[in-house]
Amino acid sequence: AQSVTQLGSHVSVSEGALVLLRCNYSSSVPPYLFWYVQYPNQGLQLLLKYTSAATLVKGINGFEAEFKKSETSFHLTKPSAHMSDAAEYFCAVTTGSGGSNYKLTFGKGTLLTVNP
Amino acid sequence: NAGVTQTPKFRILKIGQSMTLQCAQDMNHNYMYWYRQDPGMGLKLIYYSVGAGITDKGEVPNGYNVSRSTTEDFPLRLELAAPSQTSVYFCASSRGEQFFGPGTRLTVL
Repeated sequence: AQSVTQLGSHVSVSEGALVLLRCNYSSSVPPYLFWYVQYPNQGLQLLLKYTSAATLVKGINGFEAEFKKSETSFHLTKPSAHMSDAAEYFCAVTTGSGGSNYKLTFGKGTLLTVNP
Repeated sequence: NAGVTQTPKFRILKIGQSMTLQCAQDMNHNYMYWYRQDPGMGLKLIYYSVGAGITDKGEVPNGYNVSRSTTEDFPLRLELAAPSQTSVYFCASSRGEQFFGPGTRLTVL
């Protein structure tokens, strides 16, 4: 079985400040991990993914995440928040073979607010 | 490419009515998925398909049915709508990365 816990349903930062969104996972086998972003009234868009290659993964829009097996974490960061980063962010895990997105399990989401 | 398209965008149903949510993709993906999204709950997998003619239940299949007669289309059927089915429904397809449609917002009154 696999599961994802996102700590903090709502995170608020100032424009230019560091963004840190937390994700911890539970998996009995090596996981593949993903971060998705959802802008208001839209579908989800992939930000980045970890598929057992480099533990530091860079994604779109300046976001990156680090896979830490010892901490079972995959936290999402961005050095400097922009107003356009305001959205809801979802962490997801799968143990599908070949790193595919087969049967993702999603966290409950973290709403990021960016204050001017 | 249009990607993943969903119709309708919005719908209001009365309790006991039925409807079909349409989903189509033009990327020739074998894998397709239906999720529901409720506030503060993330996305829950309803049904998925690994190819034409092959479907299977996800985490929350009760009250829904699906079919997959072609690679492109993956409709979701609600037979007897209930207030608990009020939600936003997303369809997705994948070969590797999952691509999501824009969603259907359904209200059952």
